[in-house]
Amino acid sequence: GAVVSQHPSWVICKSGTSVKIECRSLDFQATTMFWYRQFPKQSLMLMATSNEGSKATYEQGVEKDKFLINHASLTLSTLTVTSAHPEDSSFYICSPTGPGSYNEQFFGPGTRLTVL
Amino acid sequence: GQNIDQPTEMTATEGAIVQINCTYQTSGFNGLFWYQQHAGEAPTFLSYNVLDGLEEKGRFSSFLSRSKGYSYLLLKELQMKDSASYLCAVGNYGQNFVFGPGTRLSVLP
Repeated sequence: GAVVSQHPSWVICKSGTSVKIECRSLDFQATTMFWYRQFPKQSLMLMATSNEGSKATYEQGVEKDKFLINHASLTLSTLTVTSAHPEDSSFYICSPTGPGSYNEQFFGPGTRLTVL
Repeated sequence: GQNIDQPTEMTATEGAIVQINCTYQTSGFNGLFWYQQHAGEAPTFLSYNVLDGLEEKGRFSSFLSRSKGYSYLLLKELQMKDSASYLCAVGNYGQNFVFGPGTRLSVLP
C-alpha cells in the first residue's frame, strides 16, 4: 500500500504560537489532499480539501485564516495552525489521493497537537 | 444533509461474534467504508461496499442495503487486539469521506 507520512507525530506548544504539520505521500502523486481533525472520542471531521497548486476549500466552521494549507507539490502538503489556542488541541490527519491511489484511500499516521 | 449513526460503545467477549450497525442518510452515495482505528492512530481500511450484499474478508464481513441506508460490520472469533473504534464512512475513492461517530468496541477475556 501507499506510504503517507506526517511530521511531527506529536507536538506540544504554547497558546499563541503557530504549528506547521507536514504530510507527504511517498509513492504516488497526491493531486488532492484532505485534512481531517479528530477531537477526543469523536470521529474524523473534514476540515479542508486542497488540490495541488490551488487554494484550499474549507468546510463550514473552519477558519481559513487560522488553518493555512499549502499544497505546492504533488508529494507535500502542509497545514499551519496559526495562533494556536487550547481548543485547537486535536488529532490532525491528512489523506492524500491522486492517480495511482484510486483503488484505496490512505490516511497519514496523524499528528497529535496539544496547546497549553 | 449528511447523517451517519452508529452505536457509541459495544462490549463483547474474546472468541465471540459482534455486529456493529451503521445507518446513513446522505445527499449522495458512492460507497460505504469501514475503518478500524486504535487510540492515537490513523484509521486503517477494513472493507468497502458499493453494491447490496455481503462482502467477506477473513474474520471481517460487511453488509450493505442501499435502499435501507444500512450497513453492518461483522467481526468473528474476536481477539483482544480487535478492541478499537470502528468507523463507517460514506464516500468514494479519491473523494472526501463523511465519517460516522465511531463505535468503541471493547473485547473482554
